[in-house]
Amino acid sequence: QKEVEQNSGPLSVPEGAIASLNCTYSDRVSQSFFWYRQYSGKSPELIMSIYSNGDKEDGRFTAQLNKASQYVSLLIRDSQPSDSATYLCAVNQDMGRRALTFGSGTRLQVQP
Amino acid sequence: ETGVTQTPRHLVMGMTNKKSLKCEQHLGHNAMYWYKQSAKKPLELMFVYSLEERVENNSVPSRFSPECPNSSHLFLHLHTLQPEDSALYLCASSQVLGMAYNEQFFGPGTRLTVL
Repeated sequence: QKEVEQNSGPLSVPEGAIASLNCTYSDRVSQSFFWYRQYSGKSPELIMSIYSNGDKEDGRFTAQLNKASQYVSLLIRDSQPSDSATYLCAVNQDMGRRALTFGSGTRLQVQP
Repeated sequence: ETGVTQTPRHLVMGMTNKKSLKCEQHLGHNAMYWYKQSAKKPLELMFVYSLEERVENNSVPSRFSPECPNSSHLFLHLHTLQPEDSALYLCASSQVLGMAYNEQFFGPGTRLTVL
């Protein structure tokens, strides 16, 4: 079983819709969770971090964490074509003593 | 300069060449990382340095040799590479390894092509 799993997509949503990206992880002791956005040919850019159960909102982005279900998600409201990218979920395992573990990413396409 | 910088941004080398990739972070961080990203593959962690000490080496071939002379600089020395080593090489830094809130920030990457 992969340590961090994401659906590879592509996830296609119309402009203005809510895009929902999901991630599951295997290590129960994981403490912190991150979402990165990566445009084609570019490096990953940190867009959200979340450390406790519940929702965390930042502009059009909302991260949701459920440690009991080992599940973290990213919602993008009012999706724009410029949101089209690959979204990487990353998990901090082993009490932070290791580097982040990344999922393989979900490709999001926002249709104008 | 701000954030994490990498040079060169693009590199084409033959299989017998020796070259080096450079990374510099301007964030005051103490941990630095090298990742490899091949086409349509997830990020692969190569090396981790914490306070200039290598703490993780993910079974990387010896033709890749990292060097961390201080907490702001990280190098990846390359020699006798193979065409399958062509990829985007990413450097990242974080405040310190061992903290739960270990946000990593990436440089722009070096696009390497091995002929």
